[in-house]
Amino acid sequence: SQTIHQWPATLVQPVGSPLSLECTVEGTSNPNLYWYRQAAGRGLQLLFYSVGIGQISSEVPQNLSASRPQDRQFILSSKKLLLSDSGFYLCAWPRDNYGYTFGSGTRLTVV
Amino acid sequence: AQSVTQLDSQVPVFEEAPVELRCNYSSSVSVYLFWYVQYPNQGLQLLLKYLSGSTLVKGINGFEAEFNKSQTSFHLRKPSVHISDTAEYFCAVRRFGNEKLTFGTGTRLTIIP
Repeated sequence: SQTIHQWPATLVQPVGSPLSLECTVEGTSNPNLYWYRQAAGRGLQLLFYSVGIGQISSEVPQNLSASRPQDRQFILSSKKLLLSDSGFYLCAWPRDNYGYTFGSGTRLTVV
Repeated sequence: AQSVTQLDSQVPVFEEAPVELRCNYSSSVSVYLFWYVQYPNQGLQLLLKYLSGSTLVKGINGFEAEFNKSQTSFHLRKPSVHISDTAEYFCAVRRFGNEKLTFGTGTRLTIIP
């Protein structure tokens, strides 16, 4: 079956610490993958998308980066977290050409 | 580029009352339209989508939405809400031939017992 996994579910990190969030997809090959961030009261903001291994497009300038080391793996990273990086991070996969399937999300709190 | 406006950030409704969540979009080309629901600390789940054909679209959990091209709207409705409908609802739009979804800022639906 086709599924999308995201971890960890919650994370509390101090300002200035590094970050690594992982998203993996099962049951398909060469999926396009997206990272969204949901900040309080601001809806969903597209951060990055990837159409294949090593191919990353950034939608907004920020303190974060993304990588696609394997076909079914998409990683969101930061070298030094800021307070403004707090939010709910969602990985998404345009599974059926019309809408997306989302991962369960990671709640990141930077303290 | 396309954009989505959800005018109501919060909507409180009594249990078993009807509800309408408003969504308006802007696009210079034809679009697909979607409503997603997000329960607390979970990812988004597709409620319904409009691709073509009948302008009245039925989704899961008793929700429906009507596409109105002249008013560029895609309002979500349910005739009788339940406590379990408490969640955040997002309207989204996607241009023909483009995979990216643009989301509204969301509407938090609170059901009052």
